[in-house]
Amino acid sequence: KQEVTQIPAALSVPEGENLVLNCSFTDSAIYNLQWFRQDPGKGLTSLLLIQSSQREQTSGRLNASLDKSSGRSTLYIAASQPGDSATYLCAGNSGNTPLVFGKGTRLSVIA
Amino acid sequence: NAGVTQTPKFQVLKTGQSMTLQCAQDMNHEYMSWYRQDPGMGLRLIHYSVGAGITDQGEVPNGYNVSRSTTEDFPLRLLSAAPSQTSVYFCASSRTGAAHQPQHFGDGTRLSIL
Repeated sequence: KQEVTQIPAALSVPEGENLVLNCSFTDSAIYNLQWFRQDPGKGLTSLLLIQSSQREQTSGRLNASLDKSSGRSTLYIAASQPGDSATYLCAGNSGNTPLVFGKGTRLSVIA
Repeated sequence: NAGVTQTPKFQVLKTGQSMTLQCAQDMNHEYMSWYRQDPGMGLRLIHYSVGAGITDQGEVPNGYNVSRSTTEDFPLRLLSAAPSQTSVYFCASSRTGAAHQPQHFGDGTRLSIL
């Protein structure tokens, strides 16, 4: 059974800093890895999806990587802004099974 | 662009009452699912559907029923509400059940059981 872990649970950084959020998973036969953003009181917004044949995906200031051999994915945020403050969740699945979510990292970017 | 619409946004129930959480999507997505989100537990899958007429259980299905009579709608029924079902419920959809399809989420229903 796939298990997804995100550390740390919370992170606070000053505006402008580059940062990395970590996600680890137990089943290396992961099929895809998605990163989501969740604002308080809102649903989840899909940020990036990395398929098993890919190593990374980029969207604007966000870059997500996937290393299946080590069971890790990272979300890199460049030049962080206060508007990036949110909870970031990663989720993965093996084969055609439903997504399994980590518990998220709550990010605060201080102006 | 409606996307995934959940109603109601908030609900308070008494123990033992029943109710239905509504979820509708206008993207012609085949795959729909229900999650609950609890502090310290993350999102856990309740039920999912890969297409009209097909449903399956997720990680925490007990106390909940679903049906999928149309592609657009995927209601979640609480048969006899219990305080342990106090949670935030999210509905999600994707074009197909294939693993490489991004999922789209509704804004959630915040449910309190007294």
